Amino acid sequence: DTAVSQTPKYLVTQMGNDKSIKCEQNLGHDTMYWYKQDSKKFLKIMFSYNNKELIINETVPNRFSPKSPDKAHLNLHINSLELGDSAVYFCASSQQGFEAFFGQGTRLTVV
Amino acid sequence: AQSVTQPDIHITVSEGASLELRCNYSYGATPYLFWYVQSPGQGLQLLLKYFSGDTLVQGIKGFEAEFKRSQSSFNLRKPSVHWSDAAEYFCAVGSYGGSQGNLIFGKGTKLSVKP
Repeated sequence: DTAVSQTPKYLVTQMGNDKSIKCEQNLGHDTMYWYKQDSKKFLKIMFSYNNKELIINETVPNRFSPKSPDKAHLNLHINSLELGDSAVYFCASSQQGFEAFFGQGTRLTVV
Repeated sequence: AQSVTQPDIHITVSEGASLELRCNYSYGATPYLFWYVQSPGQGLQLLLKYFSGDTLVQGIKGFEAEFKRSQSSFNLRKPSVHWSDAAEYFCAVGSYGGSQGNLIFGKGTKLSVKP
């Protein structure tokens, strides 16, 4: 039974398209996150979402918007995709900010 | 600003040899420290964590790490490496309180294991 699951695992799309990545956690955690891993494997926080409070990383373009329908789900919507958005996106969750549990990642390729 | 440095980009060890991966952090208060492992095409798995107390922490898969405040280090060790340990290893420091809990990661160390 997967703790943090993301769909899809792979996403190939053209520049200019809009796409969404879904994330669900069944751990009962109160905080969820999106991280981006670039081609050099560097991981950086994009967003954290806790009890309807969204913390936005300043360096994330506003084309990226997280949406949380409930505490167990945090989706990532990306508008007007650019080549530079190609990366692996990881969803994670934690309880009260302690150790994070990660999903398997979504490899996004923009062509 | 908080930061994590992993000085070694790539390390190769022979199977059965001991391993130490280095991690240095910069953090204004008592840090919460983690080591994660990422196998190819996989997500990140938590190996171990340090919050407080005993500075030598044990993790899964036979790994351990030692927190040294005076050196701002949290090095990962394993006495005998197995071929299945080949992966990317990430050290991270956490900020907590309220809606935070973001992890700041080092750039990772790739471990290769020679037969």
